[in-house]
Amino acid sequence: QKEVEQNSGPLSVPEGAIASLNCTYSDRGSQSFFWYRQYSGKSPELIMSIYSNGDKEDGRFTAQLNKASQYVSLLIRDSQPSDSATYLCAVNLMNRDDKIIFGKGTRLHILP
Amino acid sequence: DADVTQTPRNRITKTGKRIMLECSQTKGHDRMYWYRQDPGLGLQLIYYSFDVKDINKGEISDGYSVSRQAQAKFSLSLESAIPNQTALYFCATSDLSGGGPKADRGHGYTFGSGTRLTVV
Repeated sequence: QKEVEQNSGPLSVPEGAIASLNCTYSDRGSQSFFWYRQYSGKSPELIMSIYSNGDKEDGRFTAQLNKASQYVSLLIRDSQPSDSATYLCAVNLMNRDDKIIFGKGTRLHILP
Repeated sequence: DADVTQTPRNRITKTGKRIMLECSQTKGHDRMYWYRQDPGLGLQLIYYSFDVKDINKGEISDGYSVSRQAQAKFSLSLESAIPNQTALYFCATSDLSGGGPKADRGHGYTFGSGTRLTVV
């Protein structure tokens, strides 16, 4: 059973548009949710964390969490070519020694 | 200097050889992790350690071993390397859990730059 699911993409978005990345998770006890950005061949970089239902905004990034639907999303406004990367959704599964479980990632391509 | 340093950055080794990947951190975090990443498979947890005396197996520990020499150092060994261990390896650290009731929830994991290992 997959615990954190993401569409692998690639998701192609025109420059300047809004990119919407989605993630679902299976464990209803999960409390912490993260989005990481990973450029090809590089290490994942934490860009957003969210713990409560609703929206959390940080610059051009907005994370959205809906625990009832077990759904978390990341919106990137005014997409730039430098946003082209793989975005990993990560969830803390409280029943697994408090480890963070990663989705396989969605590849995002911003079209100039 | 990077907060989490991995050495070597790249390594090519032969089948059957023993190889060690090293990770050191200056963040003062108690928790350290080793992941491997293969194309299309995402990050898979190999081993993790919550302190020097607490070592735990992850999803794919077979063929690997670890040593937590100090709070700041966590090494991964491949006892007898095989070609399907060719992958990108990441070390990561965290200070507390990602979301326990007493945790500082804001940090997630900090990753090292990775080691690209090729077994021929």
